[in-house]
Amino acid sequence: IVLTQSPGTLSLSPGERATLSCRASQIVNNNYLAWYQKKPGQAPRLLIYGASTRATGVPDRFSGSGSGTDFTLTINRLEPEDFAVYYCQRYHSSWTFGQGTKVEIK
Amino acid sequence: QVQLVESGGGVVQPGRSLRLSCAASGFSFSTYALHWVRQAPGKGLEWVAGISSGGRDKYYADSVKGRFTISRDDSKDTLYLQMNSLRLEDTAVYYCGRLGYCVRGSCYYYGMDVWGQGTTVTVSS
Repeated sequence: IVLTQSPGTLSLSPGERATLSCRASQIVNNNYLAWYQKKPGQAPRLLIYGASTRATGVPDRFSGSGSGTDFTLTINRLEPEDFAVYYCQRYHSSWTFGQGTKVEIK
Repeated sequence: QVQLVESGGGVVQPGRSLRLSCAASGFSFSTYALHWVRQAPGKGLEWVAGISSGGRDKYYADSVKGRFTISRDDSKDTLYLQMNSLRLEDTAVYYCGRLGYCVRGSCYYYGMDVWGQGTTVTVSS
C-alpha cells in the first residue's frame, strides 16, 4: 500500500487553518490510519488514530477525518508550536508512512 | 512512567553488524506489539520492522528483509534489532515504538503511541 500526502509543503501564518491530505492506494480497513507530528531532534508524536480519534493530550484544534482511501488532518488556528512535518501511517497489516507534509511559517 | 529507551547506535563500516536495543518500562511489555521506524538525514519516516506480542509474527520492510532481524525478550522487557550487512543507506535515527496490544485473544490497535528518543546509526567507510 502506498500513502501519498499533499501538499508537500504548506506555508501558513499563525492563526490560519491547515488542511493536509493523505490518499491510500488501497482501502484502509477499519480506518487504521494515524497522523503523527515530527519536529527536528524529537521523536514522532501520535496525534490521531482510527482516522479521527485524538490521542491523549492532543489539543482539540487537531482533527482527523476520512475513510476508505482519502483522509484529512485539519489544524485549526495554527499555534507557533504546530509548525512541523506531519505524516500519515496505516498501522495494521502494513505500516507504511506517507512522505510527509511540512507546515512552515509564511 | 511509560517509557522506551533505545541504545546501541554508533558508527559502523559498510558490511558490518550492529544490534539495537529498546528497553521498556511502565507498561505490560509482553502484551504489546513493537516496531522499529527510522529517519535518514533529510528524509521522511520509514517503517523498518515489527513484532507481535508473544513474538510469533515478524514483519520487515523490503529494504531490510534478509539483513535485519527483530526480536524481543519479554523477561527483560527489551526489544532488539539485529542489523547485518549494513549499507550506507541504513544511516538514520532509529526509533522503537509500541503499536497495539493483545489481551485474552483480542488485539487493539491505535497507532504508535509511545516512542523512544531514537538512537543514531551511521554507516560510513
